[in-house]
Amino acid sequence: DIQMTQSPSSLSASVGDRVTITCQASQDIRKYLNWYQQKPGKAPNLLIYHASNLETGVPSRFSGSGSGTDFTFTIHSLQPEDIATYYCQHYDNLLYTFGQGTKLEIK
Amino acid sequence: QITLKESGPPLVKPTQTLTLTCTFSAFSLSTNGVGVGWIRQPPGKALEWLALTYWDDDKRYSPSLKSRLTITKDTSKNQVVLTMTNMEAVDTATYYCARWTSSLGAFDVWGQGTMVTVSS
Repeated sequence: DIQMTQSPSSLSASVGDRVTITCQASQDIRKYLNWYQQKPGKAPNLLIYHASNLETGVPSRFSGSGSGTDFTFTIHSLQPEDIATYYCQHYDNLLYTFGQGTKLEIK
Repeated sequence: QITLKESGPPLVKPTQTLTLTCTFSAFSLSTNGVGVGWIRQPPGKALEWLALTYWDDDKRYSPSLKSRLTITKDTSKNQVVLTMTNMEAVDTATYYCARWTSSLGAFDVWGQGTMVTVSS
């Protein structure tokens, strides 16, 4: 099975900062990777699909990049409402594996 | 507006079978490329994908839980049912259903989740 390693597990940043989260696959997954945001007490929300495509209605300060084994999720200017846990998710024809999550806090 | 809503017992006893129902609206599970999946989240822990059923009745299961899971769909009722046998305390979690859209390759709409506690 393909393993997804997401890092860091938590991070603290200031409003306006650029924030980067990475997700590494144990083997080539091309661009089959999504990013979700989960605010406390809420269901996850799709932000980025197929590694770099912004879901409709998602603010443009969010972006994703990468292919193969290394992927990056970026918040270009952190806002207070971005406090959440972020998950990467790989999919293929058989499995739909989530990363371990990154908890983002405001300094 | 597309919605999904999970329903089921909030409390089950160890060794019992859990049955959860996802009732959805504003989309059809007979549409090419559409699926509905189940994902769970133990308190304070990460998301874990469990199962997925596609529009063509193809099904996928988490390998680690495959022996305990069954997913079925009733297209006429707009429902997807997940059963999980032999429940244990470690299965205590919030259970979510979500729509899978193959054109995106993602779970693009989620239900609010339902908390299930396993305890005697």
